[in-house]
Amino acid sequence: GDSVTQMEGPVTLSEEAFLTINCTYTATGYPSLFWYVQYPGEGLQLLLKATKADDKGSNKGFEATYRKETTSFHLEKGSVQVSDSAVYFCALSEGTGGFKTIFGAGTRLFVKA
Amino acid sequence: EAGVAQSPRYKIIEKRQSVAFWCNPISGHATLYWYQQILGQGPKLLIQFQNNGVVDDSQLPKDRFSAERLKGVDSTLKIQPAKLEDSAVYLCASAGVTANEKLFFGSGTQLSVL
Repeated sequence: GDSVTQMEGPVTLSEEAFLTINCTYTATGYPSLFWYVQYPGEGLQLLLKATKADDKGSNKGFEATYRKETTSFHLEKGSVQVSDSAVYFCALSEGTGGFKTIFGAGTRLFVKA
Repeated sequence: EAGVAQSPRYKIIEKRQSVAFWCNPISGHATLYWYQQILGQGPKLLIQFQNNGVVDDSQLPKDRFSAERLKGVDSTLKIQPAKLEDSAVYLCASAGVTANEKLFFGSGTQLSVL
């Protein structure tokens, strides 16, 4: 079945460092791919998405490119801030009408000043 | 725009007791999900509704969990009897009808089974 694999955390970075969180997926068709973020004490919210191969999703300085050939959707940010400390979830959604969204295990990011 | 409403926010019960959670999705959203999120893990899909029909309940422990979505709007998830391993946050989410639409999540219900 469909699945999402993320790099394990926690990831600890200093402010202004470069961030990469790896995500790979397994799917039978052509899923849409998402990154969701959960800030401390808040609910899950969409960070960015890409709906087809080679699409790049971006938001708040974060980017991820849909790579069909490597079945990957790695999250990157050039310069992290303390306020980026959160748990990041990679997810895929596939199908029409009866589509479902599957999440990875999440990667916790700590950014220190 | 009102978000996804869930209640209660917290619930503490003893094992073998029953508990129910309620969710009201965003108006007009056809798809409603219930996820279980155990501490340190990603959300695990329990059941998905499209309008008032079940699309996927393959990971719902049907011997103890049940869910319904009457009239294709709000939904309830019930656990009876609860086990210690059911301690988790239960998330409700809603979305439109296509795979490239984002999910809107409620704040969740944190369940502790003692």
